Amino acid sequence: QVQLQESGPGLVRPSETLSLTCSVSGDSIGSGYYWAWMRQPPGKGLEWIGSVFFGGTTYYNPSLKSRVTISVNTSKNQFSLRLTSVTAADTAVYYCAKGSLFHAGWFDPWGQGTLVTVSS
Amino acid sequence: QSALTQPASVSGSPGQSITISCTGTSRDVGDYNYVSWYQQHSGKAPKLLIYDVSSRPSGLSDRFSGAKSGNTASLTISGLQAEDEADYYCSSYTSSSTYVFGTGTKVTVL
Repeated sequence: QVQLQESGPGLVRPSETLSLTCSVSGDSIGSGYYWAWMRQPPGKGLEWIGSVFFGGTTYYNPSLKSRVTISVNTSKNQFSLRLTSVTAADTAVYYCAKGSLFHAGWFDPWGQGTLVTVSS
Repeated sequence: QSALTQPASVSGSPGQSITISCTGTSRDVGDYNYVSWYQQHSGKAPKLLIYDVSSRPSGLSDRFSGAKSGNTASLTISGLQAEDEADYYCSSYTSSSTYVFGTGTKVTVL
């Protein structure tokens, strides 16, 4: 059974960089599926941030593309999110998830999520 | 890219059926059969209910069903139960090789 777990700082200062890691168990990052990050501001809806393939192919939300990098570490069976120049608007619960075999599809399962607050 | 449009809330009595709509455009819902639905209980992570418009993951209750017509997808919950009270989100792949989620619908069981 695939399980995902997000980890990283819960508090980030404005203008700094948010860095999160998703650890995958029960499956291999290199199994041929896509892996994704989503976020959900408190009391609001879901937003897709981007997806990555183990070979390095990435797709990003156009609204975040200039600030986002998603990468894979196959040796650690992890993938990571990096979001630069954060503001209060980036405060959210961040989720990682397994995507489908092809980029187009669905997300299942999801990690439990981690709350990241942007504040000085 | 704009969020897909869902009703803010839908309610029903136990045993009834309810339907949640998800309206997009010809660049997402209308152009691809990659519509998925997620259930999110308060404080929990989203859970996949439906993928590829109308397919259910293995082991999921057949009380949940999906459909699509033109630019609008829908999720129907039949035999409504107290445990179905949650937020529901649709999602679609888009012509820009991105994903867009719906605005979310809060389901209340009366």
